[in-house]
Amino acid sequence: DGGITQSPKYLFRKEGQNVTLSCEQNLNHDAMYWYRQDPGQGLRLIYYSQIVNDFQKGDIAEGYSVSREKKESFPLTVTSAQKNPTAFYLCASRSGGGDTGELFFGEGSRLTVL
Amino acid sequence: GQSLEQPSEVTAVEGAIVQINCTYQTSGFYGLSWYQQHDGGAPTFLSYNALDGLEETGRFSSFLSRSDSYGYLLLQELQMKDSASYFCAVLSGYSTLTFGKGTMLLVSP
Repeated sequence: DGGITQSPKYLFRKEGQNVTLSCEQNLNHDAMYWYRQDPGQGLRLIYYSQIVNDFQKGDIAEGYSVSREKKESFPLTVTSAQKNPTAFYLCASRSGGGDTGELFFGEGSRLTVL
Repeated sequence: GQSLEQPSEVTAVEGAIVQINCTYQTSGFYGLSWYQQHDGGAPTFLSYNALDGLEETGRFSSFLSRSDSYGYLLLQELQMKDSASYFCAVLSGYSTLTFGKGTMLLVSP
């Protein structure tokens, strides 16, 4: 079955540590996105990528980094520079071929900083 | 910048009809999407409106008025499983979706 796989589902880290969240898709979608969700809040865009080897900052990119070396993969690194990293992180993809507002989401990664 | 406004919470009873409104301010507007998210889960796509008018998909319908920068999601024959958060999202010219803060729908027996 096609879909998006995020790992790990739960992650704990100490302050000052970098952590990388994995996102893999087998939908053959061109565009991929990372969103952050805080309790009771909407989704805020961190980074997005429309093609391999290219990505753009979203609204809250500070303290995060990404790479897009393969079409299928879009990992997100939460660096120690991110002041408040505890959140629910959602990866999504979208077909680049049409004007559609449909994103396909992974199940999310819940990061807790201790 | 982009901004979306939707009510924070709506309550209704099983079998009823409920409407969740969304107003937006944005540049480069392409269309308005709606997503459903159950607690702790991933958002799932419900509908997308690029043109003015009503789109119907089963018990759910979505409406858009581009001139009023307004849309709504209409849920009919409410069921307990419809209790969830609902987000409107604007597709802009940068190929990104900007989400509202969400409306929590509570359906009671």
